[in-house]
Amino acid sequence: GENVEQHPSTLSVQEGDSAVIKCTYSDSASNYFPWYKQELGKRPQLIIDIRSNVGEKKDQRIAVTLNKTAKHFSLHITETQPEDSAVYFCAASQDSGGYQKVTFGTGTKLQVIP
Amino acid sequence: NAGVTQTPKFQVLKTGQSMTLQCAQDMNHEYMSWYRQDPGMGLRLIHYSVGAGITDQGEVPNGYNVSRSTTEDFPLRLLSAAPSQTSVYFCASRKLGQGNQPQHFGDGTRLSIL
Repeated sequence: GENVEQHPSTLSVQEGDSAVIKCTYSDSASNYFPWYKQELGKRPQLIIDIRSNVGEKKDQRIAVTLNKTAKHFSLHITETQPEDSAVYFCAASQDSGGYQKVTFGTGTKLQVIP
Repeated sequence: NAGVTQTPKFQVLKTGQSMTLQCAQDMNHEYMSWYRQDPGMGLRLIHYSVGAGITDQGEVPNGYNVSRSTTEDFPLRLLSAAPSQTSVYFCASRKLGQGNQPQHFGDGTRLSIL
């Protein structure tokens, strides 16, 4: 089955700096890679996603890059703000036949220091 | 739309008791799933369903049962609660048949087994 590794597990940055979270996956058939943000005591919420036919996607201060050859993808947050403090999860999934399993990474706790 | 609704939000059980966690969605999503979230372990899939009458096991199914009699509802049953099942449980759903789509999560059920 799919295995997703996520690093680092914790990350502290100064407000205004950039933050990068990296994930690797094992199954070359995975073709969809969402990122979720989870604030303390809340539900995970989708912040950005990327499909395997795209190498990079941006949404304001957030970007995701995908390297299919190396089987890794990364989340980039620029100009970090205190409200970016949360746990971030990457995931990998595939819609192939009747198998629609989503595998999550173990999460990165991001702390933005004012 | 209410999205994904989970009940109860909190529950305390004694070892050996049984209970059902409820999950309902009003988005006509075919795919529904249950995750448990433990510190440092991310989200682990318990069971999932791709439509009414169809269920399958995830990576940690032992001790849990599910059924899917309608598109809207996907209850999770703990047959005989154990302290190891103390966790936060999330239900999620997504649309199928339109390529990869993100999951929508409920607010979670915080379950403690004494």
